[in-house]
Amino acid sequence: SYELTQTPSVSVSPGQTARITCSGDALPRQYAYWYRQKAGQAPVLVIYKDNERPSGIPERFSGSSSGTTVTLTISGVQAEDEADYYCQSSDRTNTYWVFGGGTRLTVL
Amino acid sequence: ELQLVQSGGGLIQPGGSLRLSCAASGFTVNNNYMTWVRQAPGKGLEWVSFVDTGGNTYYAESVKDRFTISRDNSNNTLYLQLSGLRAEDTAVYYCARPSQDLGGGFDIWGHGTMVTVSS
Repeated sequence: SYELTQTPSVSVSPGQTARITCSGDALPRQYAYWYRQKAGQAPVLVIYKDNERPSGIPERFSGSSSGTTVTLTISGVQAEDEADYYCQSSDRTNTYWVFGGGTRLTVL
Repeated sequence: ELQLVQSGGGLIQPGGSLRLSCAASGFTVNNNYMTWVRQAPGKGLEWVSFVDTGGNTYYAESVKDRFTISRDNSNNTLYLQLSGLRAEDTAVYYCARPSQDLGGGFDIWGHGTMVTVSS
């Protein structure tokens, strides 16, 4: 089965930049998506198609892709950004979807 | 307003069956891909299944041959039939819409419904 690998945790101080990475063999060929999930809530889409931002998501959220790794960058982190972040993509055939294991962002 | 309202769930014994429902408003289930995602207590998100606009269905290996995704056009509702339930199926189950406008990103999520498999 296909897997996406994320670093389990990232910690930054307010105002700093947080970078969360996600690795997978099919990422050069398949889009990646990023979701933010706060405790007790449903996930929210923050980045789609590697680097596009849905309406209503602050500009400090951005995405990028390089080879088998995609990165979610949060510039000028705020306390409200503390949450779990998940990448999501699919295998090469787009018939098996998968989430990364999640990264807990802690704002110090 | 675009939304998904979930129902079903609860406590079920191992080996039992259950059906989850996900009623859509503001858009047509039949014209969209739809998906189910679950989250075991304290764990990460796990993709479960999706149905495409042609009615083709796809499943994670962990639920294949035990779960069935379907939709009812008359009441604009997505379903997930769970059978042969195991303790490891205990999770919050979310339905979601992979948006055509957002390249497949899941833009609308249900509130989630808890399924607990225990004797």
